[in-house]
Amino acid sequence: DTGVSQDPRHKITKRGQNVTFRCDPISEHNRLYWYRQTLGQGPEFLTYFQNEAQLEKSRLLSDRFSAERPKGSFSTLEIQRTEQGDSAMYLCASSPGRGGNTEAFFGQGTRLTVV
Amino acid sequence: DQQVKQNSPSLSVQEGRISILNCDYTNSMFDYFLWYKKYPAEGPTFLISISSIKDKNEDGRFTVFLNKSAKHLSLHIVPSQPGDSAVYFCAALTGTASKLTFGTGTRLQVTL
Repeated sequence: DTGVSQDPRHKITKRGQNVTFRCDPISEHNRLYWYRQTLGQGPEFLTYFQNEAQLEKSRLLSDRFSAERPKGSFSTLEIQRTEQGDSAMYLCASSPGRGGNTEAFFGQGTRLTVV
Repeated sequence: DQQVKQNSPSLSVQEGRISILNCDYTNSMFDYFLWYKKYPAEGPTFLISISSIKDKNEDGRFTVFLNKSAKHLSLHIVPSQPGDSAVYFCAALTGTASKLTFGTGTRLQVTL
């Protein structure tokens, strides 16, 4: 499968615990994005990497959230001290990042439930 | 501030008929628009896009129309098929940004 891969697909955690999600983009894509989607809403932008550089972060990304893309390949999104409001679908996407605007390809997402 | 709006949360269409999904935007800097389709428990799947220099783009059963003066775009699906039943998201980009701004989605149900 050469699409965007996310792990785990589902995560249930207790409030206050830390969680980490992984995203493997399409191999030749140098742009990687994280989005969050809650019920009844469209995906909301969280952060974006060009290769290993994190170029933009949304105001939604509080200081409890951190994302990395250490070698410009896979990325991790960590949420520290989870809160019930963090319950959402976390989506990763990648795009080639060349030749002007182009569509982003999404993974299947990680569904986080904080209890 | 909802910059991309999909005012119809749901739409029901009979199989074989045309489905028309609408999207409005407020940011005049948007210059590239995309439609994504999403099934439950899956990520969005890219359907079709249009640049602001065009007013129409067609791909098989899917056609997107852009009216820049009205800041409005629409997705036409014809003929509609039961497998088209999903949530459809409109999204937009500016030339200087890479992030997508999504609408809230329209749930399409194609009935037999």
